[in-house]
Amino acid sequence: DQQVKQNSPSLSVQEGRISILNCDYTNSMFDYFLWYKKYPAEGPTFLISISSIKDKNEDGRFTVFLNKSAKHLSLHIVPSQPGDSAVYFCAASRGGSQGNLIFGKGTKLSVKP
Amino acid sequence: EAGVAQSPRYKIIEKRQSVAFWCNPISGHATLYWYQQILGQGPKLLIQFQNNGVVDDSQLPKDRFSAERLKGVDSTLKIQPAKLEDSAVYLCASSSGAHPYFGPGTRLLVL
Repeated sequence: DQQVKQNSPSLSVQEGRISILNCDYTNSMFDYFLWYKKYPAEGPTFLISISSIKDKNEDGRFTVFLNKSAKHLSLHIVPSQPGDSAVYFCAASRGGSQGNLIFGKGTKLSVKP
Repeated sequence: EAGVAQSPRYKIIEKRQSVAFWCNPISGHATLYWYQQILGQGPKLLIQFQNNGVVDDSQLPKDRFSAERLKGVDSTLKIQPAKLEDSAVYLCASSSGAHPYFGPGTRLLVL
């Protein structure tokens, strides 16, 4: 039973446009959410996180939105750049940043010049 | 700051053989994790250490997998005997209170 779901295996956007990656979760006990980016043959790299007491967190071109009632979060990348092309993983935890991270299956983003 | 180091980067073995992976976390990080990532899936936690004590090993297949973190720094993950379904990338991560930092992983292929 998947507790964290990324229903879009892939997404393609034009350079300069907005990329929106979505993630749904089923466990209402999750209190911390993260996004990681992964390039081929490398480990996941932390991108941005959000605590369940917030509904938005921004870091440069990256913004994460959390809708607790819908158990949904999204990552917005504006503007998208070719270097953003990677697999993006959504992860959730019940114990803050130190808890066991439950990952989604990932969404492969392709940003075309 | 040096990142999480893992070795080997690649390993090919036959089923029923044993294999070991090594991880050196970021200096000063008390928490160390081992994750398994099967192709097409997200990483799944196998075991979490706090210093040299186990915090969570509920998803570690203990009949064949073992892990240790002697002296609370480096860690090794062992599989004995390996099965075909153990083919995956094994990721080590460490943290000091913030999000986990991941190493590059060890890609294991069991034939």
